[in-house]
Amino acid sequence: QSALTQPASVSGSPGQSISISCTGTSTDVGVYNYVSWYQQHPGKAPKLMIYDVSNRPSGVSNRFSGSKSGNTASLTISGLQAEDEADYYCSSYTSSSTLYVFGTGTKVTVL
Amino acid sequence: QVQLEQSGAEVKKPGASVRVSCKASGYSFTSSYMHWVRQAPGQGLEWMGIINPSAGSTSYAQKFQGRVTMTRDTSTNTVYMDLSSLRSEDTAVYYCVRDAGKILWQLVLWGQGTLVTVSS
Repeated sequence: QSALTQPASVSGSPGQSISISCTGTSTDVGVYNYVSWYQQHPGKAPKLMIYDVSNRPSGVSNRFSGSKSGNTASLTISGLQAEDEADYYCSSYTSSSTLYVFGTGTKVTVL
Repeated sequence: QVQLEQSGAEVKKPGASVRVSCKASGYSFTSSYMHWVRQAPGQGLEWMGIINPSAGSTSYAQKFQGRVTMTRDTSTNTVYMDLSSLRSEDTAVYYCVRDAGKILWQLVLWGQGTLVTVSS
């Protein structure tokens, strides 16, 4: 089971919207709604931002939203802020022997 | 205060074993499953396995089968992750992570991480 595929980097100016894609297969993203997104600042532990494709945990800004179409999930950050600069990882349950797989990670830069 | 407190950094030689502990507090220990995730320096996240603190049952990623053992002590609200036959590629920060419930696959609370360095 390979990692889910994400773009290495995405950038945007403050106030803009950006989207990060997460491409999997018919054994993970394509068939399960256990898709999550995590934010990780340098030297810190990851933080859950989206779960079950499009749900936000309590306390997470509504500027973060998630969606899925076929084998690809997406995270959208609207009204980009300096504090959003971080690494973002998607993840999914998988029917393979790996059971749970993360994406390759995307570095978000706020210009 | 709900938190996970992990043991300190370790330095091990190739071929040795390491034990990382994770003490839970502020919530019902047996109400949520616990995951272990690792991150090599400058690399992405890698899921290792999951333990049910109530029953002690486990599921491991195939990559770690035979080398990893996850256990728990309900008297101290602590889970343990043992990794054997260490090699340099096992150098990483290891995280214990609380699930939102019983395998909801929502990794909601992360420990601070434990750096394990494997070097001769």
